[in-house]
Amino acid sequence: NAGVMQNPRHLVRRRGQEARLRCSPVKGHSHVYWYRQLPEEGLKFMVYLQKENIIDESGMPKERFSAEFPKEGPSILRIQQVVRGDSAAYFCASSPGERDGYTFGSGTRLTVV
Amino acid sequence: QKEVEQNSGPLSVPEGAIASLNCTYSDRVSQSFFWYRQYSGKSPELIMSIYSNGDKEDGRFTAQLNKASQYVSLLIRDSQPSDSATYLCAVERGSGNQFYFGTGTSLTVIP
Repeated sequence: NAGVMQNPRHLVRRRGQEARLRCSPVKGHSHVYWYRQLPEEGLKFMVYLQKENIIDESGMPKERFSAEFPKEGPSILRIQQVVRGDSAAYFCASSPGERDGYTFGSGTRLTVV
Repeated sequence: QKEVEQNSGPLSVPEGAIASLNCTYSDRVSQSFFWYRQYSGKSPELIMSIYSNGDKEDGRFTAQLNKASQYVSLLIRDSQPSDSATYLCAVERGSGNQFYFGTGTSLTVIP
């Protein structure tokens, strides 16, 4: 019973490039969340999705960031024209319901050089 | 005021002692509360949930909730060196849809 699968584990991008982070939730979980974690800071909510729907994107920067969870395939967090400040660990989590605890993936550590 | 506040620590306890981790939150409507453990360089792992006032015990862990005081705590009995990690408090946003996370308390259990 695989948990939340995220890839890649580490991603290095030059400033101005695009970063694509992938997340496959636990089988049977229909709720997917993306969080960002900076050193010495807590997990910051970015976006909450269900299949083919963005439920809450209040934590996502208005520009350059987008997320999707298509009917088939993994959820994708896309960051266009990355800047150094985007360097962080990005965690995806899934849950069976809105008020349930999360299962986190191992995260993608993005480094912008 | 932050949605969730935790003492960042570090908190050090000797092996076998009780570790007490505390968390306060600002959203009075929150109904669901979780504790996660995060080892350095790893992802958070869910260890406890609590929804009602009072205590909830699971093995060596006890979660305590006081909604009137907007306070959640985690007690770890018979602390082990393997308990050394950062403990994150998560509080459901009153309107649902997401959880607020504290910055975590770093715990070190000294052998």
